[in-house]
Amino acid sequence: GAGVSQTPSNKVTEKGKYVELRCDPISGHTALYWYRQSLGQGPEFLIYFQGTGAADDSGLPNDRFFAVRPEGSVSTLKIQRTERGDSAVYLCASSLMGGQGSPLHFGNGTRLTVT
Amino acid sequence: AQSVTQLDSQVPVFEEAPVELRCNYSSSVSVYLFWYVQYPNQGLQLLLKYLSGSTLVESINGFEAEFNKSQTSFHLRKPSVHISDTAEYFCAVSDGPSGTYKYIFGTGTRLKVLA
Repeated sequence: GAGVSQTPSNKVTEKGKYVELRCDPISGHTALYWYRQSLGQGPEFLIYFQGTGAADDSGLPNDRFFAVRPEGSVSTLKIQRTERGDSAVYLCASSLMGGQGSPLHFGNGTRLTVT
Repeated sequence: AQSVTQLDSQVPVFEEAPVELRCNYSSSVSVYLFWYVQYPNQGLQLLLKYLSGSTLVESINGFEAEFNKSQTSFHLRKPSVHISDTAEYFCAVSDGPSGTYKYIFGTGTRLKVLA
């Protein structure tokens, strides 16, 4: 079946602009995660959705970052007033249920470059 | 709070030689442990997981990892590596049955298999 899909695969934007990154999880997966991966680092937790609600947004770096999942499926990560330090690969993952050892299934990521 | 340490950022090894990639974790509760692999230009994929039961877990491509509670380790091993094993490997931990959904990743170990 189809895996986790992330669009766009690459995004180049100018400092100060607004960007949206989209994630389409595996059908039937109730849990959805956003991670950020900088060069030479492991994935860094940003936010977790169980269904439509953000159960934990403690990893969002500041109020420029926001994510939604209005119908419990597709999610959008929104970044306002982008800064060069936001440049990274943004990873989305879904799992059948949150926690309980349910493994994460990752998309290929969106590489964001802020110039 | 949980954390994961992968001490080796890079491990070069000759083809058909054995390899061990080290992972240590810290947690105050029981844990689930995972190894993910990221091949060049691909997304993260689950390699193997420990949830409960036998402390030795295996993957379909010859890797194995052993959960050692007293040493808080989950090292990944393969007795004979192939060129195709060249990839980045990430260890991850999440809370066990009584815990939450958050998955914490290590910084990764880049395995380079040399001909």
